[in-house]
Amino acid sequence: AQSVTQPDIHITVSEGASLELRCNYSYGATPYLFWYVQSPGQGLQLLLKYFSGDTLVQGIKGFEAEFKRSQSSFNLRKPSVHWSDAAEYFCAVGESGGGADGLTFGKGTHLIIQP
Amino acid sequence: NAGVTQTPKFRILKIGQSMTLQCTQDMNHNYMYWYRQDPGMGLKLIYYSVGAGITDKGEVPNGYNVSRSTTEDFPLRLELAAPSQTSVYFCASQGQGLSSGANVLTFGAGSRLTVL
Repeated sequence: AQSVTQPDIHITVSEGASLELRCNYSYGATPYLFWYVQSPGQGLQLLLKYFSGDTLVQGIKGFEAEFKRSQSSFNLRKPSVHWSDAAEYFCAVGESGGGADGLTFGKGTHLIIQP
Repeated sequence: NAGVTQTPKFRILKIGQSMTLQCTQDMNHNYMYWYRQDPGMGLKLIYYSVGAGITDKGEVPNGYNVSRSTTEDFPLRLELAAPSQTSVYFCASQGQGLSSGANVLTFGAGSRLTVL
């Protein structure tokens, strides 16, 4: 069965500093990988996705993520965070080819931005 | 486009009551999903559907029922509400092939349910 681990429950970063959120997955083949963001009281918004090809993918709001097959990781990065980036971030894995049975999500990382 | 619309946004139930969470999407997506979100636990799949008339259980289906009579609508029914069903519920849809939203889940804004 596929699974996703986000090792950091909370991360605190100063505004303007760089950010890296970790994600490790377990999946038998090459998966589809996603990062979603959830602002307080809101639904989940897609930040970026990896299906195939270039292992460094760009997303919205200045985020990027790198797929490393050898480490089973898909870490999310941003060079300079803004106060508006404070939110919950979820990594998710899905069946390659777009399976019907949905995504498996990690437990999330809560990002706090210090002024 | 409205995307995925869920109603109600908030609801308080008493133990043993029943209710239906409504979900509709206007993107002509075949795949639809119900997840629940509990603090520190991420999202867990309750039920999903690959098209009208077809539904299947996810990871945590007990205490819930679904139906899919049309492509657009995927309601989630709680028959005998229990405190363990206090959660935030998210509906999502996914397109296939070359359709808009292919292989990506689009989520509704969520429905917060409290069972007392």
